[in-house]
Amino acid sequence: NAGVTQTPKFQVLKTGQSMTLQCAQDMNHNSMYWYRQDPGMGLRLIYYSASEGTTDKGEVPNGYNVSRLNKREFSLRLESAAPSQTSVYFCASSVNYGYTFGSGTRLTVV
Amino acid sequence: DQQVKQNSPSLSVQEGRISILNCDYTNSMFDYFLWYKKYPAEGPTFLISISSIKDKNEDGRFTVFLNKSAKHLSLHIVPSQPGDSAVYFCAAKNAGGTSYGKLTFGQGTILTVHP
Repeated sequence: NAGVTQTPKFQVLKTGQSMTLQCAQDMNHNSMYWYRQDPGMGLRLIYYSASEGTTDKGEVPNGYNVSRLNKREFSLRLESAAPSQTSVYFCASSVNYGYTFGSGTRLTVV
Repeated sequence: DQQVKQNSPSLSVQEGRISILNCDYTNSMFDYFLWYKKYPAEGPTFLISISSIKDKNEDGRFTVFLNKSAKHLSLHIVPSQPGDSAVYFCAAKNAGGTSYGKLTFGQGTILTVHP
């Protein structure tokens, strides 16, 4: 049982490049989330999807877009990467308040 | 506006002693609180939770206390073990609005347990 799978695990981008972070869960959870973790800032919500076909902004959505492709998959896209988006990104899924997190994507924008 | 605050960035404890991690919140609409534990290069994992209608919840070596009047919760680990060394995040769920189970996290506290 894989839980929540994120790809890639590491990525280096140049400023202005675009990329998509992939996330898939196999627990049949309705809700999925994207968080970023920065030193001293904890985990901050970027976007979330309460159910298939719906997405909403979280605390720090600027510079990001998301797609809830189906119940399993929730992707995060950076259209034009900036150094301020250097962070560790976590995808999570939940039923009620029991979050299951992926192992994270460490993104560096140079 | 940090609604969930963990004011201690780090805590160092001797093996066998008690570890106390603290968390303060400002939003009176929070009705459910959780603690997550995170090891390096891994995602956070759920540790223990408490509903706002309780003031204590215990699970083995881990106990969470909630003081609603002070808007404060704490996680006690007794006895502490070296394997408890990790980052601990406090999180809260908002009872109102269209929260859909969204959690607000604190900044995290790095716990180091020395043998």
